[in-house]
Amino acid sequence: DVKVTQSSRYLVKRTGEKVFLECVQDMDHENMFWYRQDPGLGLRLIYFSYDVKMKEKGDIPEGYSVSREKKERFSLILESASTNQTSMYLCASSTPKGSGYTFGSGTRLTVV
Amino acid sequence: DQQVKQNSPSLSVQEGRISILNCDYTNSMFDYFLWYKKYPAEGPTFLISISSIKDKNEDGRFTVFLNKSAKHLSLHIVPSQPGDSAVYFCAASAHTGNQFYFGTGTSLTVIP
Repeated sequence: DVKVTQSSRYLVKRTGEKVFLECVQDMDHENMFWYRQDPGLGLRLIYFSYDVKMKEKGDIPEGYSVSREKKERFSLILESASTNQTSMYLCASSTPKGSGYTFGSGTRLTVV
Repeated sequence: DQQVKQNSPSLSVQEGRISILNCDYTNSMFDYFLWYKKYPAEGPTFLISISSIKDKNEDGRFTVFLNKSAKHLSLHIVPSQPGDSAVYFCAASAHTGNQFYFGTGTSLTVIP
């Protein structure tokens, strides 16, 4: 069964901490994405990557960075966590011109 | 600017009746559309898709209709079941791009 795995289901971090969210896919997909989901705002794209060491800003990149050193792994970094980054974070992957995304189970991050 | 819109944040339907979820888009380059279903604390899962060469696609209890001239698609669920209670996202992409654009979601509640 193909999978996108997010390392944590729930995280609680303090304001100002550096936070790493990890995502690994086993489908050899070229494209990987990070979204956050908030009530009434839907899925908003933070960053995406079409290849190793390549990244593109999405709609809301401020306060975030990403790393893709290997094809299967795409990390989202909150440089200095703030309370407005409390959210559900979703990782997804796809093939180029693919028929859709495969999503991970999500990480519910709470910043206190 | 939101290119994919779901104007109904929530919908309640009696078990056994039809659920109709609507989605509008603004970009005429979009030619492939998906519906995802999301339960709380889980990632979205693919439900059904439609290409712009069709105006209807059916999979069991789920049917998606596409009206290209109106830039509108809808998801019909019949008969609705309590297990269908979830948030539904529509998404669209253009054949020229890698990225899907998501609506803000509609929360469906099916009342037993």
